[in-house]
Amino acid sequence: GENVEQHPSTLSVQEGDSAVIKCTYSDSASNYFPWYKQELGKGPQLIIDIRSNVGEKKDQRIAVTLNKTAKHFSLHITETQPEDSAVYFCATPTGGGNKLTFGTGTQLKVEL
Amino acid sequence: DSGVTQTPKHLITATGQRVTLRCSPRSGDLSVYWYQQSLDQGLQFLIQYYNGEERAKGNILERFSAQQFPDLHSELNLSSLELGDSALYFCASSVFEARYGYTFGSGTRLTVV
Repeated sequence: GENVEQHPSTLSVQEGDSAVIKCTYSDSASNYFPWYKQELGKGPQLIIDIRSNVGEKKDQRIAVTLNKTAKHFSLHITETQPEDSAVYFCATPTGGGNKLTFGTGTQLKVEL
Repeated sequence: DSGVTQTPKHLITATGQRVTLRCSPRSGDLSVYWYQQSLDQGLQFLIQYYNGEERAKGNILERFSAQQFPDLHSELNLSSLELGDSALYFCASSVFEARYGYTFGSGTRLTVV
């Protein structure tokens, strides 16, 4: 299958709080899990990715965790700031790895 | 600047018309992908080219076609346009396969009136 489910669709947090977005995939052969951030009027930008041989990866305030057994991966943003407000997409390769299939997106709003 | 160049940035055209969207991939990337993003919708895969050849096809309408040229730039042709074709069209490029990661362009906003 080529389904990637993403939750929640919207997320509102107070500045300084943490935000967690979760994705579930169906293809057990998936081995690459990127996260993209899309600001208004711009193209999606890769912010972090993880490969299947690693369980967690951190880059400053963002981290991604992977649970291959349960087929889900999550994006964690700590100490959220107003500039983190955007739409976040998870993705994974499908169709034999020829393309990325994206989740439906999460609108994150960081309130002052 | 991501290195992926899309032109034009905005396009307004009438129903029934034909338009061409252009994409230049990041230097060194051989694969080009086209995605459609409608209002409040996610990223829908249209088609992929690798080094001039079609490699994967999504739910691309028969009215839409694409190609990748020897210099690796790609064009997406949309014909017999309908109001529902209004959307953001993104191009992305990668070295080879999707598992090497994508870089997206800034998109072309198409408005059909």
